[in-house]
Amino acid sequence: AQSVAQPEDQVNVAEGNPLTVKCTYSVSGNPYLFWYVQYPNRGLQFLLKYITGDNLVKGSYGFEAEFNKSQTSFHLKKPSALVSDSALYFCAVRPPNTDKLIFGTGTRLQVFP
Amino acid sequence: DTEVTQTPKHLVMGMTNKKSLKCEQHMGHRAMYWYKQKAKKPPELMFVYSYEKLSINESVPSRFSPECPNSSLLNLHLHALQPEDSALYLCASSPGVGLAGGRATDTQYFGPGTRLTVL
Repeated sequence: AQSVAQPEDQVNVAEGNPLTVKCTYSVSGNPYLFWYVQYPNRGLQFLLKYITGDNLVKGSYGFEAEFNKSQTSFHLKKPSALVSDSALYFCAVRPPNTDKLIFGTGTRLQVFP
Repeated sequence: DTEVTQTPKHLVMGMTNKKSLKCEQHMGHRAMYWYKQKAKKPPELMFVYSYEKLSINESVPSRFSPECPNSSLLNLHLHALQPEDSALYLCASSPGVGLAGGRATDTQYFGPGTRLTVL
């Protein structure tokens, strides 16, 4: 079965510190992996995606993600968190040969001043 | 420009009402999607349109009726909804769907959503 797991419901980090939001996946074949962010009462905003190539993917707003095939992970990272990064983050996978995005359960990031 | 627009932003309706949600994109995308999202939960796929044809219906109750009048517009017609249908309804679009040529790598771009409350 194709699935995505975000093991942390919430991540707390102080402003200026590095942040990591974890994501692991289970997909048959090569996965296409995405990160989205959602601010309160808003739609999802695309941050970045991994398709192939370099395992370190750079995205919007200073975010990056590292694809690790052996650990089946795609963790989202940022070197220095901002209070404005506080939001709900979703990891998603699009298995090959399908039109569907499979979302993780989401991780709420709280950045404290 | 990666904008998907949705109207209305908020909608309150009774269980006997008929209403419609609208979604529009002008990015030339040929795939459009409807998702339902409950509070603090991930979006759940409802429908996918590919080249204006319904390609996926995730066993959605018939009280939800999608329509794709042209490649830029997507509607969701609502009738006889239940209070448990209250949710944020998200529209998304992507350049195209297709299993060949790497189209599965397409990014889906989401609209801001319509907050629906069924009384």
